[in-house]
Parts: sequence; structure tokens; C-alpha cells
Amino acid sequence: NAGVMQNPRHLVRRRGQEARLRCSPMKGHSHVYWYRQLPEEGLKFMVYLQKENIIDESGMPKERFSAEFPKEGPSILRIQQVVRGDSAAYFCASSPNNEQFFGPGTRLTVL
Amino acid sequence: GQNIDQPTEMTATEGAIVQINCTYQTSGFNGLFWYQQHAGEAPTFLSYNVLDGLEEKGRFSSFLSRSKGYSYLLLKELQMKGSASYLCAVRGGGSSNTGKLIFGQGTTLQVKP
Repeated sequence: NAGVMQNPRHLVRRRGQEARLRCSPMKGHSHVYWYRQLPEEGLKFMVYLQKENIIDESGMPKERFSAEFPKEGPSILRIQQVVRGDSAAYFCASSPNNEQFFGPGTRLTVL
Repeated sequence: GQNIDQPTEMTATEGAIVQINCTYQTSGFNGLFWYQQHAGEAPTFLSYNVLDGLEEKGRFSSFLSRSKGYSYLLLKELQMKGSASYLCAVRGGGSSNTGKLIFGQGTTLQVKP
């Protein structure tokens, strides 16, 4: 049973470009959470999705950020027109119940 | 508001016991989690408490007092590879809660020989 998978592991973008981060939950898990970890800071919740539904997006910035979890395929976190302040590690976690299992993260660097 | 506090840094000696404290103030409560995170890696689950008391899992133990909004993680027989950040996280409660975790800043533990 493979763990939570994220790709790419490292992503470099120039200011103004788009970043797409993918997350495949563990087999049998239909709940996905996205968190962001800025340098030297704790993890901050961004969004919670179930298949084809956004359940809680209270942690998402109002502009440029969007997330989806289609019926088929991975969950995607999309950041449009990236800025330097978006540089961070983005983790997704999947959950069957109490535990949240984290993926290895995508480290986004905006030049 | 929601607030989770833990010490920023701690140092301990290999083979010793260390206690990492966490205090929280959250709107509702539905469990407290401890994760370990090595630099550049994903957080890995250590323990979960939802009822008051001590949960023991080998070299890790975690304690919870809901009335005091307090938890601690106890690490025994410290190993050098125990040098990592230890993250305290609370899952809020209530009907509107969606299971998201609220994390503290993390405690960076350095284990010295």
C-alpha cells in the first residue's frame, strides 16, 4: 500500500508563472488536506477536499489559489501568477479517520 | 482565537528523557496529535490523545489534560536520530469542524552525544 504521493518534489517558477502541485492520497482514502509551511514557520491549513467537493477552504488565500480533487486522478493545488512570498513547502495529507498521513511535500521556489 | 504554544528549541543528551510541552486554546476540541518532522521531510505521526491521561507507545508517551488545555510528549532513551522538530496539533470540534489540524510552531530538539 503506497503512501501519500506528491509531485513534483521540487518546483521552481519565476514570478508571474503558474504552479501546479499534485497529490495522490493513500489507497482507500477519499479525504485530502493541503497545508503550507513557510520557512521557519509551522504548518498552516489551506483546504480540505473530498472527491469532487471542496469541504473547507477557510485557509486558502482569496486570490490566485485554487484546489480540486476530481473523481479520477490526483488532487491539484494551483497557484496562478506566483510571487516570491509563495515560496514554501506544500504538504498534502490523506485520512481515513483520525490520523492524517502526510506526503513528502512539494518545495516551491519562486525566483 | 486559536492558539497553540510550544517551546521553540530544546537540547537534550543521548540516552536521556525529554518532555516537550504544548498548551492550546481552540474553539472546540476533538483530539491532539504529535508529529515528528526531520528537516526537509514530511511530518510523521507519533501519537494521538482525545481523552485525558497518558498514552504510551514504546519510547514515546503523550499526556493530555483537556481542562488545562495542556499536553506533553515524553521521549525516552533519546537517540541521535531523535534530533528533529516535534509538532503539536489540535483538531477542532463541533458540527462545523472538518477535521483540519491546527499546528503549533514546532519544537526543534537537538540531541547531543
